[in-house]
Amino acid sequence: AQTIHQWPVAEIKAVGSPLSLGCTIKGKSSPNLYWYWQATGGTLQQLFYSITVGQVESVVQLNLSASRPKDDQFILSTEKLLLSHSGFYLCAWSTRDNAETLYFGSGTRLTVL
Amino acid sequence: AQKVTQTQTSISVVEKTTVTMDCVYETRDSSYFLFWYKQTASGEIVFLIRQDSYKKENATVGHYSLNFQKPKSSIGLIITATQIEDSAVYFCAMREDGTNTGKLTFGDGTVLTVKP
Repeated sequence: AQTIHQWPVAEIKAVGSPLSLGCTIKGKSSPNLYWYWQATGGTLQQLFYSITVGQVESVVQLNLSASRPKDDQFILSTEKLLLSHSGFYLCAWSTRDNAETLYFGSGTRLTVL
Repeated sequence: AQKVTQTQTSISVVEKTTVTMDCVYETRDSSYFLFWYKQTASGEIVFLIRQDSYKKENATVGHYSLNFQKPKSSIGLIITATQIEDSAVYFCAMREDGTNTGKLTFGDGTVLTVKP
């Protein structure tokens, strides 16, 4: 069975500080990987997607970047956090068939002060 | 552009009853996929059920079923024999065919409270 693990579970960071969030999927080779963001009380919005190692596409510009250094790993980062970066970050995976269901990790709750 | 609308902000029901949550969508594509997810109190988002637009039969998984009315662009979620643990936020989402971006367009969610 596939498992998806996100780290850290929660972060409290200062404005202007750097950030790195991670996601690892086990039990599935060559998955498509995605980052989604949810504002508190809001809906989910896609940030990035990656269909292969080393390739990441940005969907919205939020002063964030993403990388896929390994087949099973997806990283979300920024050098300078903004207050607007606060929220819930979710990593998700699917198979490479574009009709497939997305499965989400447990998320990282980020508070920027 | 795609749009997903959940008009019910919140619903409260007594356990063991049936609840229906509404969702309407807008798309120009002839082929698309519709999903329902549940977000628990911890924030975890759990996939529940999906409907492929080309399928006429309504999907059913456990005590979840869908009421797919394609001419009305509507995909309602029906939960039978509700349990306290069904209390959560329910999101309807749509994915268009022909892309490999994994982009789901989500509705704003419906908060379900199941009371004893």
